[in-house]
Amino acid sequence: AQTVTQSQPEMSVQEAETVTLSCTYDTSESNYYLFWYKQPPSRQMILVIRQEAYKQQNATENRFSVNFQKAAKSFSLKISDSQLGDTAMYFCAFMRIYGQNFVFGPGTRLSVLP
Amino acid sequence: DTEVTQTPKHLVMGMTNKKSLKCEQHMGHRAMYWYKQKAKKPPELMFVYSYEKLSINESVPSRFSPECPNSSLLNLHLHALQPEDSALYLCASSQMGLAGGLYEQFFGPGTRLTVL
Repeated sequence: AQTVTQSQPEMSVQEAETVTLSCTYDTSESNYYLFWYKQPPSRQMILVIRQEAYKQQNATENRFSVNFQKAAKSFSLKISDSQLGDTAMYFCAFMRIYGQNFVFGPGTRLSVLP
Repeated sequence: DTEVTQTPKHLVMGMTNKKSLKCEQHMGHRAMYWYKQKAKKPPELMFVYSYEKLSINESVPSRFSPECPNSSLLNLHLHALQPEDSALYLCASSQMGLAGGLYEQFFGPGTRLTVL
């Protein structure tokens, strides 16, 4: 069975600064997907970024980028130029290539301070 | 703007009521999901439908009854719920790849359910 760990229950960052959220996972699979989802106070789950395990290049979406270390089973999210709208709960998620369900981490609550 | 819609946004019901939650997706996806989410916790998977057939049921109590009338619609029928069933109920959808695998999920805004 796969497990996902997010060791930082809460973090805060000043507006315009950079913050990194950590995620580690445990799996015996060699091919899988990893995701970061954002859930702001409005409670809408929003996909931030995805990474395919077979791709060595780290995924990037505007101010969001990941540091994917397959051997270490680590998948951290970097948010650059933090904005107030980035305040949210962030969930790391794992899915097998031919899987049908996600395994979510416990989440990290990020607060961006003015 | 979400392409997965859920109604109602809020629902308050008694333990003897029967109600339904509705979800609709407009992305042509063939897999749909129901999740239950308690405050400050990650979503917990309840049901997965692929090609309108139930493929995963994570041992959810029978007081929750899913229905998938077609590939765009997903309902969750509620009956004789308990106060501990109060939560945010999220619907999601995803594409299906070859060999039945699924891709990233797109979530609706959720229904906040309170059981009195």
